Amino acid sequence: QKEVEQNSGPLSVPEGAIASLNCTYSDRGSQSFFWYRQYSGKSPELIMSIYSNGDKEDGRFTAQLNKASQYVSLLIRDSQPSDSATYLCAVTPDTGRRALTFGSGTRLQVQP
Amino acid sequence: DAGITQSPRYKITETGRQVTLMCHQTWSHSYMFWYRQDLGHGLRLIYYSAAADITDKGEVPDGYVVSRSKTENFPLTLESATRSQTSVYFCASSESLGNYGYTFGSGTRLTVV
Repeated sequence: QKEVEQNSGPLSVPEGAIASLNCTYSDRGSQSFFWYRQYSGKSPELIMSIYSNGDKEDGRFTAQLNKASQYVSLLIRDSQPSDSATYLCAVTPDTGRRALTFGSGTRLQVQP
Repeated sequence: DAGITQSPRYKITETGRQVTLMCHQTWSHSYMFWYRQDLGHGLRLIYYSAAADITDKGEVPDGYVVSRSKTENFPLTLESATRSQTSVYFCASSESLGNYGYTFGSGTRLTVV
């Protein structure tokens, strides 16, 4: 079992819709959770961090964390074609004693 | 320039050659990291460093060597390049191991022929 799992996609949504990206992790001791956006040929860019159960909103982005279910998600409201990218989930396992572990990413396509 | 820079951006080398990828950051972050990114595997940690002269292995360290004599530099050396090391290599830095996200450099695309 991979430590951090994501559906590779592509996830295709129409412009203006809500995109929902999901991530599960295996280590119950994981403490910190991050979402990165990576455009093709570019480096990952941090867009959201979340540390406690519940929702965290930042503009059109909402991160959701459920530690009991070992599940973290990213919602993108009013999706734009410029949101088309690969979204990487990253987790700090082992109560923070290890470096970030990344999922393989979900490719999002926003159709104009 | 402020930030984290990697060089070269692209590199083609032959099997068996030694190659060094450079990484430099201007934030004085304690932690620096090397990841490789391959299709189907995502980002995998090669090595990281908590401070000058302190390094530790990640998930895929075999065939790689790192050093950190100065806080701002963290070079990655492939001692004898193999085709399986063809990949995109990203350097990253952070103030902490896990409490904050990492900031990535622009990457080095390495091809071993």
